[in-house]
Amino acid sequence: GAGVSQSPRYKVTKRGQDVALRCDPISGHVSLYWYRQALGQGPEFLTYFNYEAQQDKSGLPNDRFSAERPEGSISTLTIQRTEQRDSAMYRCASSLEQKGSPLHFGNGTRLTVT
Amino acid sequence: KNEVEQSPQNLTAQEGEFITINCSYSVGISALHWLQQHPGGGIVSLFMLSSGKKKHGRLIATINIQEKHSSLHITASHPRDSAVYICAARDTDKLIFGTGTRLQVFP
Repeated sequence: GAGVSQSPRYKVTKRGQDVALRCDPISGHVSLYWYRQALGQGPEFLTYFNYEAQQDKSGLPNDRFSAERPEGSISTLTIQRTEQRDSAMYRCASSLEQKGSPLHFGNGTRLTVT
Repeated sequence: KNEVEQSPQNLTAQEGEFITINCSYSVGISALHWLQQHPGGGIVSLFMLSSGKKKHGRLIATINIQEKHSSLHITASHPRDSAVYICAARDTDKLIFGTGTRLQVFP
């Protein structure tokens, strides 16, 4: 596709369930960021991949959150044992290279934990 | 203290006014991004700066690396410019977002 694609667009889950959110970056983009945005708040960095290597995961809130990008393309953000406070818009962004390229943003996955 | 701070948090303007939004950062960066988020939630990248000044239509972005400060200017503002404007500092491995500036331009 032409842009960064995220799926699902909306996810409603019950507290305690695991969820997996997918990000399909623009083909050839090396850098991939995950971040989240609670309603009315600014974005919050979660983690960053350079190719398949997870270079920074300091933004992941706790060990229930994990992410992978095994082949350096599609990435999955997994939240285990979801809690209501995990409800937010989860977005990813990709860029062609690490430093000098513009960011392209996906439309996000709206996660609601009931 | 946030590593990336924006001011003002909220801004209202009359159509036609010149708008300035400021961003200060305390981290080393490889680039600074200005982003626009509309009420529907989608985020669009406006500028990526590592030095100097860039212009696109009525939008101008400047950065002063020594002072760790960037500004986004909107000339001849229009109601359709109403959005949240976010600056994001990009270092090697991380993207650090400012809290955003909510701009409303009234006719």
